[in-house]
Amino acid sequence: DAGVIQSPRHEVTEMGQEVTLRCKPISGHNSLFWYRQTMMRGLELLIYFNNNVPIDDSGMPEDRFSAKMPNASFSTLKIQPSEPRDSAVYFCASSFQGGTGELFFGEGSRLTVL
Amino acid sequence: AQSVTQPDIHITVSEGASLELRCNYSYGATPYLFWYVQSPGQGLQLLLKYFSGDTLVQGIKGFEAEFKRSQSSFNLRKPSVHWSDAAEYFCAVGAAAGGYNKLIFGAGTRLAVHP
Repeated sequence: DAGVIQSPRHEVTEMGQEVTLRCKPISGHNSLFWYRQTMMRGLELLIYFNNNVPIDDSGMPEDRFSAKMPNASFSTLKIQPSEPRDSAVYFCASSFQGGTGELFFGEGSRLTVL
Repeated sequence: AQSVTQPDIHITVSEGASLELRCNYSYGATPYLFWYVQSPGQGLQLLLKYFSGDTLVQGIKGFEAEFKRSQSSFNLRKPSVHWSDAAEYFCAVGAAAGGYNKLIFGAGTRLAVHP
């Protein structure tokens, strides 16, 4: 079975540009999570969805960040405008709520903002 | 509030030596506990998990962990480390919030293995 699929794997952009990261969760999972990983702050939960509805976005750093989940098989994380401090690896993970909360992670999208 | 502490940021062991990575959690109820491993440039892979029952759980790649409620700990162990075990290891606790489960991660422990 396919795991969580993220794209792009690497993105290099210039400050001020819009960045869109994409995620396809595991089929049948009803929860989706976006994490950001940096050396300084470790793994930070940005936002999570259950049944396509955002449940908790308290980790989203500021209004420049937005996330959507238009259907059960697709989610996006958008940064507009991007800044150098947004450089990080962004992970998407999915799980089945009603189970024990085990997360399945994608391989991440490494973002570099120049 | 729920939290996870991994006291060791870096650990170095020799190949063939035993390993123990520490994890302490703070959670009011019986926790769901996890250990994940992250190799360079990769996502996080589940090593093992504890939900209930036997407090010693076995995982993949020869790892095991023991849940000790009295110490609020869930330490990861391996009797003989292989060079391929060099990676970053994350402990996590499953936290229920508003009826939904999410994972709270520790800061991670980076393991280096000397030949």
